[in-house]
Amino acid sequence: DQQVKQNSPSLSVQEGRISILNCDYTNSMFDYFLWYKKYPAEGPTFLISISSIKDKNEDGRFTVFLNKSAKHLSLHIVPSQPGDSAVYFCAASVSGNEKLTFGTGTRLTIIP
Amino acid sequence: NAGVTQTPKFRVLKTGQSMTLLCAQDMNHEYMYWYRQDPGMGLRLIHYSVGEGTTAKGEVPDGYNVSRLKKQNFLLGLESAAPSQTSVYFCASSRRGYEQYFGPGTRLTVT
Repeated sequence: DQQVKQNSPSLSVQEGRISILNCDYTNSMFDYFLWYKKYPAEGPTFLISISSIKDKNEDGRFTVFLNKSAKHLSLHIVPSQPGDSAVYFCAASVSGNEKLTFGTGTRLTIIP
Repeated sequence: NAGVTQTPKFRVLKTGQSMTLLCAQDMNHEYMYWYRQDPGMGLRLIHYSVGEGTTAKGEVPDGYNVSRLKKQNFLLGLESAAPSQTSVYFCASSRRGYEQYFGPGTRLTVT
């Protein structure tokens, strides 16, 4: 049972345009959400997070939106740059629980 | 700060052989984790630890054992390797259990 789903395995976006990566979850107990970025042959690196008490969190070019009623979150990257080409993982957790549940990832390719 | 380091980076095993993967962190984090990453499966939690001397099972613990004798180290053992354990293994650590910091990974092939 995949509790965190990233239904798009890949996404291609023109440089300078907006990249939107989507993530859906089924467990209504999740209240903390994170995005990780992974380059080939490296470990994932933390990008941005959001608590369920917010519906938006922004950090530079990266913004995460949370729609609790739809159990959906998205990561917006504006403007997209070639260095953003990577695999992006969505993850979720329940407060007080040490474990993260990861999605299967979306491979983002930025076209110059 | 080295962050999270993993040893070795690559390993090839024959079915039935055993090995230990070492994870070390220098950030004084309480929590440590072992994941495996397989194509189309994302990151799946094998075992984790919330402090020195403690371990707990994750989503896919079968065939693996772990030990956390020192706060900075978390060992993952395969007693009798199987081809199904061919994967990339990542170690991670965190202070509060949320923003985990990952190591560079160990690519293991079992033939």
